[in-house]
Amino acid sequence: DAKTTQPPSMDCAEGRAANLPCNHSTISGNEYVYWYRQIHSQGPQYIIHGLKNNETNEMASLIITEDRKSSTLILPHATLRDTAVYYCIVRVAPRRDDKIIFGKGTRLHILP
Amino acid sequence: AAGVIQSPRHLIKEKRETATLKCYPIPRHDTVYWYQQGPGQDPQFLISFYEKMQSDKGSIPDRFSAQQFSDYHSELNMSSLELGDSALYFCASSAGRGGEGYTFGSGTRLTVV
Repeated sequence: DAKTTQPPSMDCAEGRAANLPCNHSTISGNEYVYWYRQIHSQGPQYIIHGLKNNETNEMASLIITEDRKSSTLILPHATLRDTAVYYCIVRVAPRRDDKIIFGKGTRLHILP
Repeated sequence: AAGVIQSPRHLIKEKRETATLKCYPIPRHDTVYWYQQGPGQDPQFLISFYEKMQSDKGSIPDRFSAQQFSDYHSELNMSSLELGDSALYFCASSAGRGGEGYTFGSGTRLTVV
């Protein structure tokens, strides 16, 4: 699987947009970009995923560069409950037995 | 919506004892994954099962074993427990349909004393 690189930590003011970057320069053509987050000691939670087009759901937006070597997760109006570790993951999908491997995510602190 | 159920939520065991963790996947999910997360660490993949057969294996100690049963629930058995086995253990399930299908449970916190 392609590796990803994320900043270890970020701060964001409550109510502002949180923009979390991810580099995945060795991504293959059939690999998707996934984002998960883990609020303290809870199970990781799926946020969003995409292949090459930008995606949006009720939680976040995912912006993938045209060359697919990097992406940005956007939380449009961050709240204190968004404080968590955010993981950017690259994997082939759909595949029944393709496990998710967690790297070093970004610890996002939402400041009141 | 039904989620991944793990039991027990908390477990305290003494060194050299045995522990069994259970995972009940989302209905119609046929793949189960186990992860271990030590204090301050990221979740580490241990093992996975698809249709009751082991499908992949990560850094799982030989003292650990797991299986998936006919009703698709899975059990992680840990023997000769060591202090270093104290961790959060997560189970996830999927139907292989993409990221939104890959769902994690709330975890079991194992403490070895």
